[in-house]
Amino acid sequence: GESVGLHLPTLSVQEGDNSIINCAYSNSASDYFIWYKQESGKGPQFIIDIRSNMDKRQGQRVTVLLNKTVKHLSLQIAATQPGDSAVYFCAENMGNYQLIWGAGTKLIIKP
Amino acid sequence: NAGVTQTPKFQVLKTGQSMTLQCAQDMNHNSMYWYRQDPGMGLRLIYYSASEGTTDKGEVPNGYNVSRLNKREFSLRLESAAPSQTSVYFCASGASGRIDNEQFFGPGTRLTVL
Repeated sequence: GESVGLHLPTLSVQEGDNSIINCAYSNSASDYFIWYKQESGKGPQFIIDIRSNMDKRQGQRVTVLLNKTVKHLSLQIAATQPGDSAVYFCAENMGNYQLIWGAGTKLIIKP
Repeated sequence: NAGVTQTPKFQVLKTGQSMTLQCAQDMNHNSMYWYRQDPGMGLRLIYYSASEGTTDKGEVPNGYNVSRLNKREFSLRLESAAPSQTSVYFCASGASGRIDNEQFFGPGTRLTVL
């Protein structure tokens, strides 16, 4: 079946450096993608989204890049801070109400 | 605003017991969702309600029922709990009936079925 996957389960980054979290999706018909952040013991929190007619979208310290040719999505976090420690999920909308979620990447910030 | 609230926060059940997870939102959102999250995995949609008065199955609906009690409340019922239903359950709501809008999540209910 269709699925969303992540390249790395854990990512360690030095505080102050930029973080890049990658995500591969398999359904070329997906038209909407979201990144969520989940801190330990909490529910997911929306970070940023992007539609399939865009290839880049920027937020506060975050940028999402979409490469439809290779079905790849990435989340870039600038100047990573200790508060960025969390599990990051990408999710895709396959044209209905259902979001398909990846397994998540755990981001660890090294002091 | 409290956002999305869920009760209870923790629950332990024996196989075959039933229970209802409660969810309420105070953001006047149209759509509400129930997800489950198993260890080391992403969320999987159990049921959703695009608007008051409607409910639909998601990816993993077997063993669950839902009720959209009113615009604010959306409950999830396990009629006969099984160990495979041990998970963390999240309720979410969204302003629009369409999926491509931000969803706001509750803190979760951690359920263990023995």
